Amino acid sequence: AQSVTQPDIHITVSEGASLELRCNYSYGATPYLFWYVQSPGQGLQLLLKYFSGDTLVQGIKGFEAEFKRSQSSFNLRKPSVHWSDAAEYFCAVGPINDYKLSFGAGTTVTVRA
Amino acid sequence: EAGVAQSPRYKIIEKRQSVAFWCNPISGHATLYWYQQILGQGPKLLIQFQNNGVVDDSQLPKDRFSAERLKGVDSTLKIQPAKLEDSAVYLCASSLDGGTGNQPQHFGDGTRLSIL
Repeated sequence: AQSVTQPDIHITVSEGASLELRCNYSYGATPYLFWYVQSPGQGLQLLLKYFSGDTLVQGIKGFEAEFKRSQSSFNLRKPSVHWSDAAEYFCAVGPINDYKLSFGAGTTVTVRA
Repeated sequence: EAGVAQSPRYKIIEKRQSVAFWCNPISGHATLYWYQQILGQGPKLLIQFQNNGVVDDSQLPKDRFSAERLKGVDSTLKIQPAKLEDSAVYLCASSLDGGTGNQPQHFGDGTRLSIL
C-alpha cells in the first residue's frame, strides 16, 4: 500500500528566508507525486506535480520540488518565502494510471516578519 | 474558469441529525471526488464518480454516508445519522479524467462540519 510521511508538523521561517518541506513516500514503483497548499478556510491548490522526466520540478508561486528515487523523497523548496506563503502544505502520492491519491498529514508553515 | 463550488461553507448540527453537502464541479470535468479531512490530517477519499457512476466507494461508511451524482454534474453527500467523529471538512474535487496524467484534481473550499 502507498503511504506518505511528512516528518515536520510545523515549521516557522522568517520572511525572506529559504524553506524546505520534507516528504517521503512508500510505494512499490515510481508513483505520481504532488504538492498541494491549503490556506485557512480554503481548499487545496496544486503547487506542482511530478510524473516523469526531469527530477527537478518547477511549480507556481516560486516553488520547486526534487524527486529522489533512491531516498523515496519529494521535498518542496522555495528560496525566499513571503508572508503569503503561510499555509498548510500537503504532499500526495498516486499510482500511475490510477486516481487514488494518498495524502500526508501536512506541514503547517508560519512566516514571521 | 470557474472553480469547484461547494455549499454550505459551514454547518453545525447535533449528533444523530442528518446533513447534506452540495458540490458543483468544474464544467466539463467527468470525475468527481469527495474527501473527508479531519483536523490535523490529510484528506481521505470517500467516494469517486466517473460521470454519474460510482468508481470507488470503498472508504465510504455506507451505514451512514450516501452520495449521488445525478446527470453526471452536481453531486450531494449526505450523512444520516451524524456521529461526533464525523466532524471534519468535506472537500469536493474534480478532474477531467481519472486524476492521472496531466489532469490533476481541483479542489473546492470545502464544507466545515461540526457535530455537537
